Amino acid sequence: SQKIEQNSEALNIQEGKTATLTCNYTNYSPAYLQWYRQDPGRGPVFLLLIRENEKEKRKERLKVTFDTTLKQSLFHITASQPADSATYLCALPWGGGNKLTFGTGTQLKVEL
Amino acid sequence: EAQVTQNPRYLITVTGKKLTVTCSQNMNHEYMSWYRQDPGLGLRQIYYSMNVEVTDKGDVPEGYKVSRKEKRNFPLILESPSPNQTSLYFCASSFNRGVPDTQYFGPGTRLTVL
Repeated sequence: SQKIEQNSEALNIQEGKTATLTCNYTNYSPAYLQWYRQDPGRGPVFLLLIRENEKEKRKERLKVTFDTTLKQSLFHITASQPADSATYLCALPWGGGNKLTFGTGTQLKVEL
Repeated sequence: EAQVTQNPRYLITVTGKKLTVTCSQNMNHEYMSWYRQDPGLGLRQIYYSMNVEVTDKGDVPEGYKVSRKEKRNFPLILESPSPNQTSLYFCASSFNRGVPDTQYFGPGTRLTVL
C-alpha cells in the first residue's frame, strides 16, 4: 500500500501569513493527489486535486504543488484567516487506483 | 441538495449485537466507500464499491460487511461488533467509476461498542 506522511504537529501561524503544509509519500508515484479539509467532528471536504503531470494548481487562496521526484506535495494557503483553522488531509490512490489512502492530517491554527 | 447521508449519527451498543449503519447518496455516484477514523491513525478505508453488486476490501475490512444492491445505498454491517470497532465512521461517494476522484463525505457516525 501507499504510505503517507504529514506533519503531526499542529502548525500555528498569524493571520495574513501564508501557511504551508507538507505531504510526503513513499512507494510508487500516484496518478493524482488530493487535499481535503476536515473540521472537528465533521466529514472531510474536498479542496483540490492535482494530477501527476501538473506542477501546480490554484484555487482562490489555495495553491498545491506536486513534485513526483521528491514524492512530495505542498499545500499553501495565502492570506490566512482564523476561519482556515482546521485539519488538512492529503490522499493518494493506490491498488490500481480504486483505493484511497489518507494521511493523518496536519492541524492548522490561524491566530489573530 | 447534493449530499451523502448516514444513519444513525450516534450509536452506543454492546459487544456481539449486530448493527447496520446506512449510507445514501443522491448524486448518482458510482463509487462509494466506507472509512473509519481513529486518533493517530487517520482515515482508513474499510470497503469500497465501484458500482452496483461490485464491492472490494480496503485497508481494514476485518469484522465488517457491505452490500451494494442499489446505486444510491451502501450500508455497513457489523455482524458481531467488538470494542475495537469503536470509532468514527464516514461514508463517501464519488462520480468517477473505478477511480476515487473528488469524494463527498457524509457527516459521520460515532459508534461506541461496550
